[in-house]
Amino acid sequence: AQSVAQPEDQVNVAEGNPLTVKCTYSVSGNPYLFWYVQYPNRGLQFLLKYITGDNLVKGSYGFEAEFNKSQTSFHLKKPSALVSDSALYFCAVRDITGTASKLTFGTGTRLQVTL
Amino acid sequence: EAGVVQSPRYKIIEKKQPVAFWCNPISGHNTLYWYRQNLGQGPELLIRYENEEAVDDSQLPKDRFSAERLKGVDSTLKIQPAELGDSAVYLCASSHPRRRVVGQRDMNTEAFFGQGTRLTVV
Repeated sequence: AQSVAQPEDQVNVAEGNPLTVKCTYSVSGNPYLFWYVQYPNRGLQFLLKYITGDNLVKGSYGFEAEFNKSQTSFHLKKPSALVSDSALYFCAVRDITGTASKLTFGTGTRLQVTL
Repeated sequence: EAGVVQSPRYKIIEKKQPVAFWCNPISGHNTLYWYRQNLGQGPELLIRYENEEAVDDSQLPKDRFSAERLKGVDSTLKIQPAELGDSAVYLCASSHPRRRVVGQRDMNTEAFFGQGTRLTVV
């Protein structure tokens, strides 16, 4: 069974500093990996994905994520955090076993960016 | 292009009453998901459709929950009767607008979510 772990319930960072939100995964085959962001009272918004190719993936709002197969990780990063980045971030994994398959989410990490 | 549309946004009902949620996916998306998100948790899959076929409903509590997607487009999720523990946000998502395969890998795999329906059972 596939699973995702987000070990930090909350990450606090000062505006202008780099941020990292951690994610590790477990799948039986090759993973498709995703990051989503959720603002209060909003649905999940797609940020970025890793399917194949370069391990460093760039996404929306200046976010990027690095796929590390040996460590089964897909950490979300941003060089310079903004207060407006404060939100709930979810990592997700899909293990393709057919034409489509289940998207499994982590429990989420709350990012708090302060001035 | 319109996104995934869900209604209602909010619903408050008394326990033991029925409730229904509606979802209209992005045009052309053949895969539709219903997720439940409890407070402070990640979304958990309830059911996944490929066109009108439910291909994964293993997590759907079938004694009280039902779903349908009769024409392979919009979908409804129903709870009857509702219990206090059903209070959550119910999210609908869709994916696979147009398959673009590179090598063996399908490049269009992200799901797009609606704003959700916040259900409160009192």
